[in-house]
Amino acid sequence: KNEVEQSPQNLTAQEGEFITINCSYSVGISALHWLQQHPGGGIVSLFMLSSGKKKHGRLIATINIQEKHSSLHITASHPRDSAVYICAVRGGGSEKLVFGKGTKLTVNP
Amino acid sequence: NAGVTQTPKFRVLKTGQSMTLLCAQDMNHEYMYWYRQDPGMGLRLIHYSVGEGTTAKGEVPDGYNVSRLKKQNFLLGLESAAPSQTSVYFCASSDTGYYGYTFGSGTRLTVV
Repeated sequence: KNEVEQSPQNLTAQEGEFITINCSYSVGISALHWLQQHPGGGIVSLFMLSSGKKKHGRLIATINIQEKHSSLHITASHPRDSAVYICAVRGGGSEKLVFGKGTKLTVNP
Repeated sequence: NAGVTQTPKFRVLKTGQSMTLLCAQDMNHEYMYWYRQDPGMGLRLIHYSVGEGTTAKGEVPDGYNVSRLKKQNFLLGLESAAPSQTSVYFCASSDTGYYGYTFGSGTRLTVV
């Protein structure tokens, strides 16, 4: 069983919709990362969380340490948000990330 | 622009050939990582380094070797390529291994 599970695997939305992508993990962590992989393949770091909530533009990331769960929200989605969103966790005392398989988001105009 | 540069971007190898992938970063980061990405799987760690002159094995190290002779460069070598090593390879760097990671643009390798 993968230590990091994302849902859904695939998500199709209409422009303007509110998007939620979920990430659950099974180990104690020191940090959780959300990454975005563009259709061209490049990977960009969006957020690093160890508690609470972070916001950047239309993106909001939350984490509940007790429930071992994080969510990535996109408000007023746009076709340019179409990408694969990847959750990754860093275990306590580790220098390494463990990655989820990603959620492929398609936003239609 | 500051960042992580991977070369080459694409390569086709014949089974048994060798090659080296180069990762260079200009952010003075201590930590560097090599991952492979295969369809239906998350990024998997091949090898990593926590500083110049250090290397360590990751999740899938077999068939690969690495070197970090200079802080800014992290080399990934395939001594005898196999079709199972067909993948997209990503290099990443991080200042402390804790905060944000910077990824290279990837190398698409096909072994025939």
